[in-house]
Amino acid sequence: NAGVTQTPKFQVLKTGQSMTLQCAQDMNHNSMYWYRQDPGMGLRLIYYSASEGTTDKGEVPNGYNVSRLNKREFSLRLESAAPSQTSVYFCASNRQGIISDTQYFGPGTRLTVL
Amino acid sequence: KNEVEQSPQNLTAQEGEFITINCSYSVGISALHWLQQHPGGGIVSLFMLSSGKKKHGRLIATINIQEKHSSLHITASHPRDSAVYICAVYNTDKLIFGTGTRLQVFP
Repeated sequence: NAGVTQTPKFQVLKTGQSMTLQCAQDMNHNSMYWYRQDPGMGLRLIYYSASEGTTDKGEVPNGYNVSRLNKREFSLRLESAAPSQTSVYFCASNRQGIISDTQYFGPGTRLTVL
Repeated sequence: KNEVEQSPQNLTAQEGEFITINCSYSVGISALHWLQQHPGGGIVSLFMLSSGKKKHGRLIATINIQEKHSSLHITASHPRDSAVYICAVYNTDKLIFGTGTRLQVFP
């Protein structure tokens, strides 16, 4: 099992460019999450998908969109990147949703927006 | 004030020392999660607990629900324990993360 995989590992964008961060899990998990991690701050939830076909906003959703393509894949899209979106992005998944179950994290994508 | 506070922010130790990392929270929780973030950036779950104590190898996690406090202990620390340790609490429908404690263990 690969667990949770993310692509790309690193990306540099110019302000205004768009890109999609990909995430896939092979653990048959129902729920998937996108977080961002900034220096001096805890991980913050951007969007989550409690189950296939549903998505919900987290704490910091502005400037992002998501797609739960199928049970395995959950992508995060930046339509018009801004320097404030420079961060490390983590995808995570678990069986039953945020309450009650351990989350498994991907390796992260380090994004720089110039 | 952050809802989840960790102390200390940074910690250095000599190999073999007993380590304690603290986590205090101000919200009602259903469970608490300790995670380890390696120097390369990967995040791994260590423990999830809602009461009492859990032990895995040299790691011990305790929680006191009444005092809204949890501790992570590392016995006989080793340089490979060098990492950032993150506390996160489950509050209703969301997970709230602390900012982490950076631990460096020197040989």
